[in-house]
Amino acid sequence: EAGVTQSPTHLIKTRGQQATLRCSPISGHTSVYWYQQALGLGLQFLLWYDEGEERNRGNFPPRFSGRQFPNYSSELNVNALELEDSALYLCASSLGQITYNEQFFGPGTRLTVL
Amino acid sequence: GQQLNQSPQSMFIQEGEDVSMNCTSSSIFNTWLWYKQDPGEGPVLLIALYKAGELTSNGRLTAQFGITRKDSFLNISASIPSDVGIYFCAGQLGGDDKIIFGKGTRLHILP
Repeated sequence: EAGVTQSPTHLIKTRGQQATLRCSPISGHTSVYWYQQALGLGLQFLLWYDEGEERNRGNFPPRFSGRQFPNYSSELNVNALELEDSALYLCASSLGQITYNEQFFGPGTRLTVL
Repeated sequence: GQQLNQSPQSMFIQEGEDVSMNCTSSSIFNTWLWYKQDPGEGPVLLIALYKAGELTSNGRLTAQFGITRKDSFLNISASIPSDVGIYFCAGQLGGDDKIIFGKGTRLHILP
């Protein structure tokens, strides 16, 4: 069974540009989560989508947005990129979120903003 | 906002030694989680704890959910080279809540 996949592996952008990151969850999983992992800061929760709806959002500005498609894959969009947006962006999926369900993580997209 | 204080930040140990790391919070959590992240990969869940006082093992790993619900620890016994990596604690208040991660403990094993 395929795990969570993310694309691209690496992404290099310049300040002010927009970045689009993609995630495909494990087959059968309806929830997708996005995290930012900046150096030395651990994982910071960004967004949670379930059944196509945004369920929860972390403390990030509105230029971080996303969506979940009918096939449960997801996109994270970051507009007006800033240098401090450079980080590893991790996507995770789970069966759903009534009680805690294990989140399975993808390998991440390394975003570098120059 | 909610924060987790994870310590130590890094550890240098000899192969075969036991390891202990912990996480504390000013907030109460109903679920405590421990993850390990290898270089170039996403975190992998090691142990999930759902009840205050719960002690759970996964091979050489043992984790406990503190009685106050504000802390948790992870022990690794008889460390081996493949234990090298970053260990994260995480807490969740309820099923609809986001998971809060600690900043990680980086484990190094000296040759």
